Amino acid sequence: EVQLVQSGAEAKKPGESLRISCKGSGYNFMNYWIAWVRQMPGIGLEYIGVIHPGDSDTRYSPSFQGQVTMSVDKSISTAYLQWSSLKASDTAMYYCARRDFTSLLEFFDSWGQGTLVTVSS
Amino acid sequence: AIQMTQSPSSLSASVGDRVTITCRASQFIRNDLSWYQQKPGRAPKLLIYGASSLQSGVPSRFSGSVSGRDFTLTISSLQPEDLATYYCLQDYNLYTFGQGTKVEIK
Repeated sequence: EVQLVQSGAEAKKPGESLRISCKGSGYNFMNYWIAWVRQMPGIGLEYIGVIHPGDSDTRYSPSFQGQVTMSVDKSISTAYLQWSSLKASDTAMYYCARRDFTSLLEFFDSWGQGTLVTVSS
Repeated sequence: AIQMTQSPSSLSASVGDRVTITCRASQFIRNDLSWYQQKPGRAPKLLIYGASSLQSGVPSRFSGSVSGRDFTLTISSLQPEDLATYYCLQDYNLYTFGQGTKVEIK
């Protein structure tokens, strides 16, 4: 069974750094892009970017370029999303998702349970 | 950037009703669109990909269609467990989610 398990909720202060994780299991982690998605309180879903675990190729949404950094540690089948200096506006639920392909069609077929990040002084 | 305009933003329907949700793309995106269901407090779940292909395990009352730049998610007979917010997602150029449609049960 494909599973993505994310790290637990975080409470941080503005200016602090943070890294959250997403561990894949039940499939070949190296072969599937991992996407990150933000959901601010009461708001819809926003695409942050995707990363390929095999070669760490990354594609960021222009809205998030320079605001966050995606990385992977393929030795432990884990993807990361990190901030160097958090802002209150980073308060949100963050999801990782696996990108799958079939017949030139792509979609996010498995999702992590989400990591709630709260930034407050 | 491709914009996805989803409507309505919310709807209320009775069990057994036929429900239709629409996403309009700002440009042609072929059939590069998927639909997701997000129940309260849960992660999104894939329902439809390629505009009209039903994901394995998803009830057959869910269906998707496309006409030009207009994409439709239909629930043929609304069930109580369909209480959720539904999102479209285009992957023709990067990715863009629709704003979401909250479905409530009367």
